[in-house]
This record gives sequence, C-alpha cells and structure tokens, in this order.
Amino acid sequence: DGGITQSPKYLFRKEGQNVTLSCEQNLNHDAMYWYRQDPGQGLRLIYYSQIVNDFQKGDIAEGYSVSREKKESFPLTVTSAQKNPTAFYLCASSSTGTSQETQYFGPGTRLLVL
Amino acid sequence: GQQVMQIPQYQHVQEGEDFTTYCNSSTTLSNIQWYKQRPGGHPVFLIQLVKSGEVKKQKRLTFQFGEAKKNSSLHITATQTTDVGTYFCAGPEAAGNKLTFGGGTRVLVKP
Repeated sequence: DGGITQSPKYLFRKEGQNVTLSCEQNLNHDAMYWYRQDPGQGLRLIYYSQIVNDFQKGDIAEGYSVSREKKESFPLTVTSAQKNPTAFYLCASSSTGTSQETQYFGPGTRLLVL
Repeated sequence: GQQVMQIPQYQHVQEGEDFTTYCNSSTTLSNIQWYKQRPGGHPVFLIQLVKSGEVKKQKRLTFQFGEAKKNSSLHITATQTTDVGTYFCAGPEAAGNKLTFGGGTRVLVKP
C-alpha cells in the first residue's frame, strides 16, 4: 500500500524541548517537503529536499531542522528556538521536485506545546 | 516574493446551490494546482491547469485558468455536504521548485 506516513499523529512538547516528527514515503519520490499549517490558515513551507543529503530552507525555516539521509525519510526537528510551535505539520512528496508536479501529502502531525 | 490570494476566505452555501471561489497570483504562473482538505484531514490533489484559458470539469466541479495565467476559479454546482472542506490553489514560483499555496477557501454547507 503506497503512500506517505507521518508519526505520531499527536505530539506534546514541553517548553525548551526538542521534538522530532517522522515522515516516510514508499512512493520512490525524490522530493520531500515539510509544511506548517496554523488553524484556519494556509500552508507555509518549512524545508524541502530534492535529493538525498541535500535540502533547502523554505519560507519559515527558523527554529526547525531537517535531515535527508535516506530517500524514503525526511524527519523534521522542532527545536526549542521555535517559540510558537503549536501547529499542524504536513509532510509531502513529489516525483522529481519540479514545480509542475503534484504533491502527495501525509496525514499530518498535530504538535501541542504544554 | 510571489503571493497567491484566495477569495472568499469563508463560503457558507445552502445545499443545492452553486458557488465560485477565486485564486489570484501576483505573478504569471506556468500552471496552477487545486487541492481539497477535508476537516481534520490533509490536502488531496484535485487538478492541474496548464494552458491559458483552460477549463476542466470533474463532475460538479469546474476549474478555469485565466487568459493571462494569473488567476483561476473553482465553480461548484449543486453543492452537497460532501463538498465541505478547504479548497487551496497553489502556483509554482518562477525560480526554484516550490509551490506557493493560497490561504484557502473554507466551505461550509447548510443542509
């Protein structure tokens, strides 16, 4: 069953704590993306990667970090430097990463700061 | 930078009625994509328009790309409760391989 999986579905973070959100895809896609969605808002790009071991900052990268050690995986770390991390985080992938392509989204992770 | 705006932000529709939502870009687009996000769900691709003036239909949904390739519209006829959700348009940036998403139109259907 092909697709994108994200875990956990819900995540609670304490103040000053780093947390890592998982994103895995078995679509054999080269490109992967992380978006943040705030309640009632659109999608804002955090980071994206078009190839293994390479990634670029999106529009709101401050306070976040990523890695792309494997084609299938693109984990996102929300660091303590991100002052307002409560949001819905969506991971997406596309075949080769050109802007002409459809993006396929995972089910998302809801992060809440306690 | 490129901006993509959608209006209206909210659309309350009586079941059975038609409505249209609009998407406007600050720059000319090579293509435009539409996605739908159900409440509590994730965005799902609906359609892509590439040609100037292009019109595509999916059952009760009609998508149009403007002649100048800077705007697009989604028209839904005979709205049903299954149409509830947020509809996003997205356009590629001229340089690079990123999509810029509009803020979305949230559709609520009154039975």
